[in-house]
Amino acid sequence: NAGVTQTPKFRVLKTGQSMTLLCAQDMNHEYMYWYRQDPGMGLRLIHYSVGEGTTAKGEVPDGYNVSRLKKQNFLLGLESAAPSQTSVYFCASSYWEGVLYFGPGTRLTVT
Amino acid sequence: AQSVAQPEDQVNVAEGNPLTVKCTYSVSGNPYLFWYVQYPNRGLQFLLKYITGDNLVKGSYGFEAEFNKSQTSFHLKKPSALVSDSALYFCAVRDANRDDKIIFGKGTRLHILP
Repeated sequence: NAGVTQTPKFRVLKTGQSMTLLCAQDMNHEYMYWYRQDPGMGLRLIHYSVGEGTTAKGEVPDGYNVSRLKKQNFLLGLESAAPSQTSVYFCASSYWEGVLYFGPGTRLTVT
Repeated sequence: AQSVAQPEDQVNVAEGNPLTVKCTYSVSGNPYLFWYVQYPNRGLQFLLKYITGDNLVKGSYGFEAEFNKSQTSFHLKKPSALVSDSALYFCAVRDANRDDKIIFGKGTRLHILP
C-alpha cells in the first residue's frame, strides 16, 4: 500500500499562475484534508471532505478550491497564485475517529 | 469553533529527564484529541489519541498523554527523554459533536540535550 501520495513534490509558480495539487489515498478512507504548514503558524486547515462529492471550508480557505470527484482523490487548486501562498502543503486522510495519515507534502514557492 | 493552544514554542530537556509538552483545547462538545510528531525533513506521524475511556493514554515511542477535562488539557509526557525525541510536536483536536474539522496547534519544538 502506498498510503497517501501527493503530486508534485515541489513547484515554483509565478504570481497569477494556477495549479492543482493532487492527493491520492489507497486506504478507502472517507475523510480527506488539506493543510498548509508555515513557520510559527503550525498546520492550518484549508479545506476538507467527509466523502466523495463533498467538500467543506477549513480555517484558511480563501484563494483555494477543492474537488473530491472520486473517493480516493482530493484535489487542491490555486486559481491565481499569490506569494502569501508560498508554503508546504500536506494532504491527509482518516477513518471516522480522526487519526490522520499524512502525505509527504508539496513545497510550493510563489514568486 | 474549536481551538488548540500550545503555550511553549520550544522546550529543552536533558537526556534521561522526564519531559512534558503542554496542550490546552477549546471545544463546545466532546473532544477527540491527538498528538503528532514531525522529525526534521520528514512527514507527520501519529503518536497517540484520546477518544473516550481512560484519561491516561499510551502511544508510540514511550509517549503518553493525560486527558484532563476540568483543565481542558492534554499534555504529552515521557518518563525519560532520548536525544532522538528531538522534533516538532503538534497537538490537534476534533469537536465530536460539531463537525469533522481537525484543528492543530502551532507546534512545540522539543530539544533533548545530550
